[in-house]
Amino acid sequence: GESVGLHLPTLSVQEGDNSIINCAYSNSASDYFIWYKQESGKGPQFIIDIRSNMDKRQGQRVTVLLNKTVKHLSLQIAATQPGDSAVYFCAENSGTYKYIFGTGTRLKVLA
Amino acid sequence: DGGITQSPKYLFRKEGQNVTLSCEQNLNHDAMYWYRQDPGQGLRLIYYSQIVNDFQKGDIAEGYSVSREKKESFPLTVTSAQKNPTAFYLCASSFAGQGSEKLFFGSGTQLSVL
Repeated sequence: GESVGLHLPTLSVQEGDNSIINCAYSNSASDYFIWYKQESGKGPQFIIDIRSNMDKRQGQRVTVLLNKTVKHLSLQIAATQPGDSAVYFCAENSGTYKYIFGTGTRLKVLA
Repeated sequence: DGGITQSPKYLFRKEGQNVTLSCEQNLNHDAMYWYRQDPGQGLRLIYYSQIVNDFQKGDIAEGYSVSREKKESFPLTVTSAQKNPTAFYLCASSFAGQGSEKLFFGSGTQLSVL
C-alpha cells in the first residue's frame, strides 16, 4: 500500500485552486465510469460515477466530464484542500464483471 | 457501519508457505472481487464471484485460490506457487456483478515475502 503510486504523473496545485485530473479510457464499448481516490496505505474510495448517456455529473466539490468522441474522462475538484492530496484513478466498465483501471495521477496540494 | 473489512492489514509470507487473506462485507452485495495492486500499474483482477459457491478466474489467477461459502465472505489464499506475491491486495464488492455497478473496496492487505 505504501509503495502504490510510485512513478505516477503528479499534479501540484495551490490550496484553494481548482484541480483537473484526466483519464483516457481504452474501450469504446465502455458505458460506465468511476473515479476513485486512494490515500497511501488505504483502499480506493469511491468519489463519483457517470454513465455514457451523460456528459457531465456534479457532486460535492467534484465534477466529472465525459467525452465519448475522444474517449476522455476528467475529474474536476473545486477549491482544492490539503485533504484532497492522494492518488486518483478512473475505472471503466462495459456491462460485464470486468472493470479496467487506470494507473492513476498523484495530486499534491501546496499550502 | 456497512462496509468491507479486510484482514490482516500487513502479512508476511515465508517461502513455500500458503497464506490466507480475509474479506468480509455487510453490504448485502452479491458480487465480490480480489484485485492485486502493484506500483505504477492499474488494478488487476485475480478472482471474482457473482454468487455463493461460484467463482471465476480473473486475469492473473495463477498461484491463487478462493472460496465463496457465504455471501458475506470471500477469502483469498496466496499459495506457494505464486512466485512474486509481494503486492497490495484489495477486495471489492458490488451488487449483481453484471457490471455498470458501483464497486466498493476494502482497506487492503499488504503482503510481503520474508
